[in-house]
Amino acid sequence: AQKVTQAQTEISVVEKEDVTLDCVYETRDTTYYLFWYKQPPSGELVFLIRRNSFDEQNEISGRYSWNFQKSTSSFNFTITASQVVDSAVYFCALWGGSEKLVFGKGTKLTVNP
Amino acid sequence: NAGVTQTPKFRILKIGQSMTLQCTQDMNHNYMYWYRQDPGMGLKLIYYSVGAGITDKGEVPNGYNVSRSTTEDFPLRLELAAPSQTSVYFCASSYEGALSGGTFGSGTRLTVV
Repeated sequence: AQKVTQAQTEISVVEKEDVTLDCVYETRDTTYYLFWYKQPPSGELVFLIRRNSFDEQNEISGRYSWNFQKSTSSFNFTITASQVVDSAVYFCALWGGSEKLVFGKGTKLTVNP
Repeated sequence: NAGVTQTPKFRILKIGQSMTLQCTQDMNHNYMYWYRQDPGMGLKLIYYSVGAGITDKGEVPNGYNVSRSTTEDFPLRLELAAPSQTSVYFCASSYEGALSGGTFGSGTRLTVV
């Protein structure tokens, strides 16, 4: 069975701190995809990144970076120099085949000024 | 572009009532999805559609029905509402399926009392 675990339910940081959101996944597939989404207070989910199982290169996009490690089945997300606008719930998800995405329970990040 | 529009934003239903959640997208996406998000949980797929006239069950389809008569619209019907259907419902669409991440609506918060 496929599963995504986000062990951190809530994280609170002060602006400009770096913060890492953890994501651990389980799958028996050799080909799979991992995703991160942001859900700001307005409610809609915003797609951030997709990674496939054959590409373990780290990804950086501005203040965001992602570390994919197959050896530990993890796909962690780091925000550098956090800002108040980063406050949101962040979801990690695993492509479960066909049109199904398996979502973790989410991590609520609060960035305080 | 409006993206994905969901109506209503909030609704309270009594047990046994029925209602339709509306979803419209203006991006000419073939793929559309309905998810539900229970408190403290990730999203779960209810139904999806790969094009007009084609629908399929997701992970939690019981108690719901869908139709897709046009590319733009994908309504979700709740028959005989139950308290277990209290949730936030998200509609999403994508051009290339689940692997492209998708564009989400802002959600409908439904309470069944």
